[in-house]
Amino acid sequence: QKEVEQNSGPLSVPEGAIASLNCTYSDRGSQSFFWYRQYSGKSPELIMSIYSNGDKEDGRFTAQLNKASQYVSLLIRDSQPSDSATYLCAVIGSGGYQKVTFGTGTKLQVIP
Amino acid sequence: GAGVSQSPSNKVTEKGKDVELRCDPISGHTALYWYRQSLGQGLEFLIYFQGNSAPDKSGLPSDRFSAERTGGSVSTLTIQRTQQEDSAVYLCASSLGAGGGVQETQYFGPGTRLLVL
Repeated sequence: QKEVEQNSGPLSVPEGAIASLNCTYSDRGSQSFFWYRQYSGKSPELIMSIYSNGDKEDGRFTAQLNKASQYVSLLIRDSQPSDSATYLCAVIGSGGYQKVTFGTGTKLQVIP
Repeated sequence: GAGVSQSPSNKVTEKGKDVELRCDPISGHTALYWYRQSLGQGLEFLIYFQGNSAPDKSGLPSDRFSAERTGGSVSTLTIQRTQQEDSAVYLCASSLGAGGGVQETQYFGPGTRLLVL
């Protein structure tokens, strides 16, 4: 079992719809969770971080964390073609120096 | 500088040659990470530095790969006797530290695109 799992996609949604990206993790002691966006040919850039159970909203983005179920999700409201990218989930585990583990990413396509 | 910088941005080399990739982290960031990303693939962790020490080298794929960090700042990733399978984008990231929460947010450089012919 991979430490951090994401559906590779592509996830296709029409412009204006809500895109829902999911991520599950295996280390129950994980405390820090991040979503990065990576455009083709570019480096990952931080979208959101979340540390507590529940929802965290930032503009059109909402991160949701459920530690009991070991999943974290990212909702993008009013999806735009410019949101088309690969979204990486990153989790900091509980062992050692709190190593960051990245999922393989979900490719999102927003159709105009 | 304002962000993480890496050099060179592109490197083409011949199989068997050695290459050095450089990373300048954000000023004041004590943690530094190297990743490799092959075309269409996810991030592959290579090595982590805290200050000048590397507590986790578990991702280095072979003994041809080495890295060092000096002065708690600049880091160099060296690949000896390059092979065609080393072709990838090498990404560097830095964070404030490993103190938990926001300190662990990683900021990525633009990467070095390595092509081994």
